[in-house]
Amino acid sequence: AQRVTQPEKLLSVFKGAPVELKCNYSYSGSPELFWYVQYSRQRLQLLLRHISRESIKGFTADLNKGETSFHLKKPFAQEEDSAMYYCALRIISGGYQKVTFGIGTKLQVIP
Amino acid sequence: ETGVTQSPTHLIKTRGQQVTLRCSSQSGHNTVSWYQQALGQGPQFIFQYYREEENGRGNFPPRFSGLQFPNYSSELNVNALELDDSALYLCASSSEGLAGKETQYFGPGTRLLVL
Repeated sequence: AQRVTQPEKLLSVFKGAPVELKCNYSYSGSPELFWYVQYSRQRLQLLLRHISRESIKGFTADLNKGETSFHLKKPFAQEEDSAMYYCALRIISGGYQKVTFGIGTKLQVIP
Repeated sequence: ETGVTQSPTHLIKTRGQQVTLRCSSQSGHNTVSWYQQALGQGPQFIFQYYREEENGRGNFPPRFSGLQFPNYSSELNVNALELDDSALYLCASSSEGLAGKETQYFGPGTRLLVL
């Protein structure tokens, strides 16, 4: 069965420091990986997906199939990055989909 | 804010009862997915509908069922409620845009308490 692991429940960094939110997955096929973010008192929202290979709000994530990881990175943390971050894995087989979320990491950026 | 709405916002039920939660999709979106989020946990995928057909399902028992209507709004039905069904239920509508760029918007959620 597929699984998503986010090893840190809480990550505290100082403003201006680099950020790396870890995500590891277990799946033997070709997955689609996503990062979601939830700011305080706001709705869950899609941050980025690996297929797009884009940078959103300064965040990037590279899929490393060898290490089965999809870590989220930002070179310089901002206070407004403080939020809950979820990594998710989507599998499509025969047109049927299944999505698995990690438990989430709370990012706290210290001024 | 996006156009995804959910009703009701809060609900209290007793064990064994049945509940129906509703979701109105973002305009132009043809796919809706439902998630259960217990306190302190990540969302768990319940199922997904694309143009009124189920095209995805997580590890939830058959007492969790759904519908998507021609206007792409959706319902989640849960029968024989159990205490562990107490959670925040989220719906999300999505659509593949140009060049495969998916847009997805979540609703605010319905908080269900089962006593």
